[in-house]
Amino acid sequence: EDQVTQSPEALRLQEGESSSLNCSYTVSGLRGLFWYRQDPGKGPEFLFTLYSAGEEKEKERLKATLTKKESFLHITAPKPEDSATYLCAVQARTSGGSYIPTFGRGTSLIVHP
Amino acid sequence: DVKVTQSSRYLVKRTGEKVFLECVQDMDHENMFWYRQDPGLGLRLIYFSYDVKMKEKGDIPEGYSVSREKKERFSLILESASTNQTSMYLCASSPLDMGYGYTFGSGTRLTVV
Repeated sequence: EDQVTQSPEALRLQEGESSSLNCSYTVSGLRGLFWYRQDPGKGPEFLFTLYSAGEEKEKERLKATLTKKESFLHITAPKPEDSATYLCAVQARTSGGSYIPTFGRGTSLIVHP
Repeated sequence: DVKVTQSSRYLVKRTGEKVFLECVQDMDHENMFWYRQDPGLGLRLIYFSYDVKMKEKGDIPEGYSVSREKKERFSLILESASTNQTSMYLCASSPLDMGYGYTFGSGTRLTVV
């Protein structure tokens, strides 16, 4: 059963057209929710960590928010260079008892000039 | 600039070969991880290590083993490569507090023929 579900799978925007990406999770006892950006052919790049409902973090045109069941990555007035896959991960318990981030499948964002 | 370096960018191996993927980090991080990334499946954890000579299985450890003899180096071993192990392999490291996020390498695209 998926613990982390991202939607939409793909999103196309015009430059300047603001939108939001969604990450819903089902783990109990959240210990951290992470957002990453991944460019084609590269490893993911860390953006944010959120710990508790109501928390928000911002970086340039990106703002991440967290509720008890989901997180949103809001993109304000995006530019073509914001095109990437955005990954969400939640810190969940492994079968061995450790808490390791489990990744969603990502949202592929394309911003057209 | 902090780095996670993976020894090969592209690798082609034959079925049945023993394959070594090397990863080195220069940040003195305690935790190191190996993921594989496949289209439609996202990032899946193979193994991780929280200390030298310590390791824990992730979600898909079958067919893989790991070695961490030094803090900065974490190796992934495919004991007998099979075609279903064709994938992008990503190494990552983090400090003990994973809230600071992972630093990923650029990945090794492995093809098993």
